[in-house]
Amino acid sequence: EDQVTQSPEALRLQEGESSSLNCSYTVSGLRGLFWYRQDPGKGPEFLFTLYSAGEEKEKERLKATLTKKESFLHITAPKPEDSATYLCAVQAGAGGSQGNLIFGKGTKLSVKP
Amino acid sequence: KAGVTQTPRYLIKTRGQQVTLSCSPISGHRSVSWYQQTPGQGLQFLFEYFSETQRNKGNFPGRFSGRQFSNSRSEMNVSTLELGDSALYLCASSFGAGEETQYFGPGTRLLVL
Repeated sequence: EDQVTQSPEALRLQEGESSSLNCSYTVSGLRGLFWYRQDPGKGPEFLFTLYSAGEEKEKERLKATLTKKESFLHITAPKPEDSATYLCAVQAGAGGSQGNLIFGKGTKLSVKP
Repeated sequence: KAGVTQTPRYLIKTRGQQVTLSCSPISGHRSVSWYQQTPGQGLQFLFEYFSETQRNKGNFPGRFSGRQFSNSRSEMNVSTLELGDSALYLCASSFGAGEETQYFGPGTRLLVL
């Protein structure tokens, strides 16, 4: 069964304290792995798409990496405005869930000034 | 370019009623997917439409249905509402189907009393 597990469930950081969020997955033929950011009461905001192991993408203080079993979202010197829930999703290339996004439960990040 | 729009944003219904939610995708996008988000289950895939045809369907009862119009706008309908249908319903659009990155709307918050 295709599934995505994110850890930790919640993470509290001080401003400037770098850390990483983990997304481990099992999927029938990975088509893509997606990271989204979701603020309370809003829809998920697209951050990155990764397609193959070894791929990395960066945007401001965020960097996403991908291996064959997991992805990491590294946050460097976070600011309070980075506080949000970060969602990881995979898109299967085969099997019953082919094509649709399978989401993890998310990591709720809080950055204190 | 305008993002994905969803109407209404908030809705209160009673058990047994039915509800119709609307989604307008990003201009030029032809694929629309629907997701249900609850605190306990997270984001779960409902169905995907591409060129007015349902491509994929998640594991939800037949009370949940949808359709897509020739202008790519989509509607989803939930009949015989149950308390457990209370959730944030999210619509996402992508240019094509399959590997394309999906962009989410703000969601419709449905409360069933």
